[in-house]
Amino acid sequence: AQSVAQPEDQVNVAEGNPLTVKCTYSVSGNPYLFWYVQYPNRGLQFLLKYITGDNLVKGSYGFEAEFNKSQTSFHLKKPSALVSDSALYFCAVRDTGNQFYFGTGTSLTVIP
Amino acid sequence: DGGITQSPKYLFRKEGQNVTLSCEQNLNHDAMYWYRQDPGQGLRLIYYSQIVNDFQKGDIAEGYSVSREKKESFPLTVTSAQKNPTAFYLCASDGGGGYSNQPQHFGDGTRLSIL
Repeated sequence: AQSVAQPEDQVNVAEGNPLTVKCTYSVSGNPYLFWYVQYPNRGLQFLLKYITGDNLVKGSYGFEAEFNKSQTSFHLKKPSALVSDSALYFCAVRDTGNQFYFGTGTSLTVIP
Repeated sequence: DGGITQSPKYLFRKEGQNVTLSCEQNLNHDAMYWYRQDPGQGLRLIYYSQIVNDFQKGDIAEGYSVSREKKESFPLTVTSAQKNPTAFYLCASDGGGGYSNQPQHFGDGTRLSIL
């Protein structure tokens, strides 16, 4: 079965430190991978995507993500966390049948 | 600016009542989607539509109904058959199958509660 896993429900990081939010997937074929951010009582906002090419993709607000095909992972990273990065983050995968699969979300708290 | 508008932002339902959530997009997208979000469960697909006058059930369609009479609009009705409707409802759209490398765009949601 197709699936997306975000193994950490909650991630805490100190302001200024690097952050990582993990995502692994189980989807057949060559999927398209996405990260979204959600602030309270708002919709999901697109951050970045991996389609093909360079395994390190850069997105909005200084975020980047590294695609690792052998580990079927697509971890979200940022070199220096801001308090304003505190939000809920979703990993998503689109398979070759155009079906979207979302992870259960990771709540990021950046501590001042 | 192009985007997706959901209304109302907050909605209360009485027992036995049907309520309709509005979703309008001006992105000229073919495909539209409804998701339900509950704490700790991520997003679950209720219904989706790839083209006008056509729609398909998602993973949790029971107790919900939709219509797609116009490309811009995809309203969701939460019927009295849905016994646990309290949730945050998100509408999304994208270009459809020919644009599968593009992200979905989301509205700002409607929070539905039971009175």
